[in-house]
Amino acid sequence: ILNVEQSPQSLHVQEGDSTNFTCSFPSSNFYALHWYRWETAKSPEALFVMTLNGDEKKKGRISATLNTKEGYSYLYIKGSQPEDSATYLCAFSLRGGADGLTFGKGTHLIIQP
Amino acid sequence: DAGVIQSPRHEVTEMGQEVTLRCKPISGHDYLFWYRQTMMRGLELLIYFNNNVPIDDSGMPEDRFSAKMPNASFSTLKIQPSEPRDSAVYFCASSPAYNEQFFGPGTRLTVL
Repeated sequence: ILNVEQSPQSLHVQEGDSTNFTCSFPSSNFYALHWYRWETAKSPEALFVMTLNGDEKKKGRISATLNTKEGYSYLYIKGSQPEDSATYLCAFSLRGGADGLTFGKGTHLIIQP
Repeated sequence: DAGVIQSPRHEVTEMGQEVTLRCKPISGHDYLFWYRQTMMRGLELLIYFNNNVPIDDSGMPEDRFSAKMPNASFSTLKIQPSEPRDSAVYFCASSPAYNEQFFGPGTRLTVL
């Protein structure tokens, strides 16, 4: 059984503040780590896919880092805006095995104006 | 491209009835995935196909669930007979090989 753990489960952040949250995953047989953004009543939307230890990806005010040796990834949001409110999911896939993703339960982010 | 298309968007049925969910993946994507989302368990992979062939169905909860992909542009997930505990949002996703997955809008299933 693969466990992908995300913390915190939920987070309230003041508009303009920066924030970050964590995804932990099994470090053995790692292939890729995905981050998705999921707004209420919509479908998950891919943010990043990372495969190499030390990878850093950035999209606007959102960035992510990857440590495959210790099995964690961080997602950072700089200068939070109300439109950043969403659930952020990370998902993990195995090398040479299933191509389906194992998802964490997400971090529910609420930006307060 | 219209993205991944799922139908119906909402389905309400009675226990014991057969339910069929449909998915049209993005053209050119080799992989198709079926996921189920519940409050308790989050997003879970049920089954996925590569080039229309089922690769891993270990996530299918029991024999009442079946999935087919008769061609590259269509897949179905069938539940027969349905039970109240099957109530969930069912997502279909597609992807090019080893890449980000594109999710459909989901089908919200309620079994009474």
